Amino acid sequence: AQSVTQLGSHVSVSEGALVLLRCNYSSSVPPYLFWYVQYPNQGLQLLLKYTTGATLVKGINGFEAEFKKSETSFHLTKPSAHMSDAAEYFCAVRSSGSARQLTFGSGTQLTVLP
Amino acid sequence: DVKVTQSSRYLVKRTGEKVFLECVQDMDHENMFWYRQDPGLGLRLIYFSYDVKMKEKGDIPEGYSVSREKKERFSLILESASTNQTSMYLCASRAGIFMNTEAFFGQGTRLTVV
Repeated sequence: AQSVTQLGSHVSVSEGALVLLRCNYSSSVPPYLFWYVQYPNQGLQLLLKYTTGATLVKGINGFEAEFKKSETSFHLTKPSAHMSDAAEYFCAVRSSGSARQLTFGSGTQLTVLP
Repeated sequence: DVKVTQSSRYLVKRTGEKVFLECVQDMDHENMFWYRQDPGLGLRLIYFSYDVKMKEKGDIPEGYSVSREKKERFSLILESASTNQTSMYLCASRAGIFMNTEAFFGQGTRLTVV
């Protein structure tokens, strides 16, 4: 079985500050990990994904995430928050036990303060 | 451009009505998914399909059924709508069986059952 835990359902940062959104996963086999973003009243858009190889993954809009197997984590970061980053962010995992489907975390709502 | 289109953005239905949510993708993807999104619960998988006329139950299939008569179209059916099915419904599609491919999402249908 696979599962995802996102710590903090709401995160607020000031414009220009570091963004850190936490994601921990549970998987009995090596996972594939994804971060999606959802803007208000829209569907989900892929930010970045980890499959194999380099553990630091760069995505769109200046976001990156690092896969840490020893910590079973895949935290999302951005050095400097922008007002346009305000959205809901979802971490998701896929492992060979459930190859066709993604399991999502409960989401983190990011607020960016002026 | 990749596109997943859901037939309605907003729907209001009465308790007991039969409700159809339609989803069409133009990417020739084998896999299609229906998720339900509720605050604090993230996305939960209702049903998915990996081929025409094939379907598998997800985590919360009760009260729902699906139909996939053509590769590009995946329909979610609420046989007798109830107020606890008021939610945001998201359709997604994904190519092939490889675990590193991402899912593409539609804009979502916000369903209210009164």
